[in-house]
Amino acid sequence: EVQLVESGGGLVQPGGSLRLSCAASGFTFSDYWMHWVRQAPGKGLEWVAKIKQDGTEKYYVDSVKGRFTISRDNAKNSLYLQMNSLRAEDTAVYYCARLPDFYGSGRGYFDYWGQGTLVTVSS
Amino acid sequence: DIQMTQSPSSLSASVGDRVTIACRASQSTNNYLNWYQQRPGKAPNLLIYGASNLQSGVPSRFSGSGSGTDFTLTISSLQPEDFATYYCQQSYTTPFTFGPGTKVDIK
Repeated sequence: EVQLVESGGGLVQPGGSLRLSCAASGFTFSDYWMHWVRQAPGKGLEWVAKIKQDGTEKYYVDSVKGRFTISRDNAKNSLYLQMNSLRAEDTAVYYCARLPDFYGSGRGYFDYWGQGTLVTVSS
Repeated sequence: DIQMTQSPSSLSASVGDRVTIACRASQSTNNYLNWYQQRPGKAPNLLIYGASNLQSGVPSRFSGSGSGTDFTLTISSLQPEDFATYYCQQSYTTPFTFGPGTKVDIK
């Protein structure tokens, strides 16, 4: 059974840092692009970042560039999101999601999502 | 960036109704267009990928159509468990943008 389990969320002050983790199981983690998607309270979904299977390509939404870093450890079947210089507008539930990459294009769909972890940025 | 819009933003419907939700992209997505359902407090769930392909395990009352920039999600006969928020998403170019969502609630 495919499982994605996020952890690491919590309350942090503006300007602070947090590291989110996503533990994957039930599939060959190294075969998939992995993504982070967030959802502010009562708002819609926002794509945040993605990382290629081997970690050589990483992309971010403009609002987090220079502050967030996505990474992965295929040996540990884990995805990470290091979040620095956090702002109130980063408050959201953060989901990890996998994207099957049948044709090597990095395009496709999110077929499995984690349950999410809540990050609250507040003083 | 490709901007996604959805209409309506919300709708009220009854069990058994046929429901249609529209999604428009600011430029072609080359049919890399997906639909997700999200119930309150839960993660999104993939319904349709590639504009018209039904994800495994999703009831056949859900269908997707469209191409280029204009797409539609149809629920042929609304069931109680379908009251939720629906999002379209393009995965053609980075950033992978979502529509603002359409909330379907009970009339």
